[in-house]
Amino acid sequence: EEQLVESGGALVQPGGSLGLFCAASGFSFSSYAMNWVRQVPGKGLEWLAGMSNSGGTTYYADSVKGRFTIFRDNSKNTLFLLMTSLRVDDTAVYYCVRGGCTTGFCSYWALWGQGTLVTVSS
Amino acid sequence: EIVLTQSPATLSLSPGERATLSCRASQDVGSYLVWYQHKPGQAPRLLIYDVSNRATGIPARFSGSGSGTDFTLTISSLEPEDCALYYCQHRSTWPLSFGGGTKVEIK
Repeated sequence: EEQLVESGGALVQPGGSLGLFCAASGFSFSSYAMNWVRQVPGKGLEWLAGMSNSGGTTYYADSVKGRFTIFRDNSKNTLFLLMTSLRVDDTAVYYCVRGGCTTGFCSYWALWGQGTLVTVSS
Repeated sequence: EIVLTQSPATLSLSPGERATLSCRASQDVGSYLVWYQHKPGQAPRLLIYDVSNRATGIPARFSGSGSGTDFTLTISSLEPEDCALYYCQHRSTWPLSFGGGTKVEIK
């Protein structure tokens, strides 16, 4: 079964840092671009960052550029999101998502993890 | 950045009725428009990609249309389980973005 499982969500103080992990299984992880998407409680979805299958190309939303870093370890079938300088408005459920095909980024997402909650509060 | 505007904010219809959801882009996104369904406590579910292609396992009552800047998701005959939030997303250029969502309520 194809699966994505996020972990690492926690309560963190404003200005702090946190790392999120996404473990992939059931498919050829290294063949797909991967992304992070979040949902602020009671609000909509927001795309945050994307990385090509090889890890050689990354893109970021302006809201997180310079603060968040996406990276992957294809040998471990794992996607990461390093978040620094966290703000209260970064409080959200964070999802990792898989590209819809193995050609390019193919940025429509049929495979989502269950999400991990990050709370930024003092 | 391309801004996607969804309307209406809320749609309240009875089972069996037709639901028409709109998504308007601030710039031409060609055919790179995607629709998701999101229910509380669950991960979003891909419904339609590239305007009109139904994702695997999506019932035929869901259909998409449009091009350029104006797009529509149609649910031909509402089922009780269609009660959810619906989001459009473009994948035309970076950065990617979602619309604000339309809430579909079943009377």
